[in-house]
Amino acid sequence: ETGVTQTPRHLVMGMTNKKSLKCEQHLGHNAMYWYKQSAKKPLELMFVYSLEERVENNSVPSRFSPECPNSSHLFLHLHTLQPEDSALYLCASSQDVSLAGANEQFFGPGTRLTVL
Amino acid sequence: GQSLEQPSEVTAVEGAIVQINCTYQTSGFYGLSWYQQHDGGAPTFLSYNALDGLEETGRFSSFLSRSDSYGYLLLQELQMKDSASYFCAVRDNQAGTALIFGKGTTLSVSS
Repeated sequence: ETGVTQTPRHLVMGMTNKKSLKCEQHLGHNAMYWYKQSAKKPLELMFVYSLEERVENNSVPSRFSPECPNSSHLFLHLHTLQPEDSALYLCASSQDVSLAGANEQFFGPGTRLTVL
Repeated sequence: GQSLEQPSEVTAVEGAIVQINCTYQTSGFYGLSWYQQHDGGAPTFLSYNALDGLEETGRFSSFLSRSDSYGYLLLQELQMKDSASYFCAVRDNQAGTALIFGKGTTLSVSS
């Protein structure tokens, strides 16, 4: 148990569906992240939020829409996804976005997404 | 840009010692981290090196040589539960605020 929870753990959706992934951290951190993990590929950073403000958006298609209503919650809204979007979506948090020090990231268990 | 290279797979037996290497190319290197991920689980932090040298934490140690753009994770007295994927990740001020991860090394420990 890392202090970061994600729901749902598994999601199957059609290409025309709209769904949302939820992440909550109980660590008092100020930074939250969305990553995509596909088989045989490195973790790909999607979005970074610091104190509820988006600080990075790594060329992610607009069919993925993040939302950070407060520093403890992060959502990823999904619509009109493609089969190649099937992957494990991981949420993480850290104390802040500082480059100094380890600034360890704590990951949630992920949502296994399958797009049909 | 940034890139990291690490072996895709390593196998070993219980009680052995394994070294997982990581070479990186970055523009504004800050430090090298290691994460462990068991199958179906979340990545968890193992270690961080910002300066040259060896950092030891129990059975695991991590080494960094900034001049060689190289680091490794050393796992001693291997146990079956160490079977997992191990990712090196760099902090780079040219990459914004986040970690850049390697593709991961799958370690299989047999009895």
